[in-house]
Amino acid sequence: GESVGLHLPTLSVQEGDNSIINCAYSNSASDYFIWYKQESGKGPQFIIDIRSNMDKRQGQRVTVLLNKTVKHLSLQIAATQPGDSAVYFCAENMRGSARQLTFGSGTQLTVLP
Amino acid sequence: GAVVSQHPSRVICKSGTSVKIECRSLDFQATTMFWYRQFPKQSLMLMATSNEGSKATYEQGVEKDKFLINHASLTLSTLTVTSAHPEDSSFYICSAKGQGTDTQYFGPGTRLTVL
Repeated sequence: GESVGLHLPTLSVQEGDNSIINCAYSNSASDYFIWYKQESGKGPQFIIDIRSNMDKRQGQRVTVLLNKTVKHLSLQIAATQPGDSAVYFCAENMRGSARQLTFGSGTQLTVLP
Repeated sequence: GAVVSQHPSRVICKSGTSVKIECRSLDFQATTMFWYRQFPKQSLMLMATSNEGSKATYEQGVEKDKFLINHASLTLSTLTVTSAHPEDSSFYICSAKGQGTDTQYFGPGTRLTVL
């Protein structure tokens, strides 16, 4: 079946560097994508979202890029801080679907001092 | 805004007992709530979708008689794990979304341990 997956299970970056977390999706009908951050023992926290009519969206220190041609999503974190260490999930859903988000497997981001 | 709470945050129970977990949207009306479970080092697995005032829709493989879901109001959904067994031990997370929106906001999760 179609699913959302992540390229890398783990990512380590130096504090202050930029981080890039990638996600591949395969459902061409998906038109809404969300990035969540999950710290250990906590629920996922909304970071940023993007709809399929956009290629890029920026938030505070975060940018999401969407490439519909290759069905690729990325999350860029600028000036990564220790508090950014967490598991990051991308999720997708289809317009009008009461349903659900389909989650990727997650990427563990570790920020090194 | 968009705060979702869960209670309890942790629960330990004996095998065979039932456990109820509450999920509340604190500052918005949640027309749809979702229940997930998550095992260590794994992603979130959707268990069921519930709409206020109607029966929940369960994902394939999820026993509706074991995981009872009630969505009695626009701010409250409950998940009851009936006759819990050790294999039900997991992290249960709810999410909620309002009418006309696609964004799901998640609760902090409930750690269930069945002895």
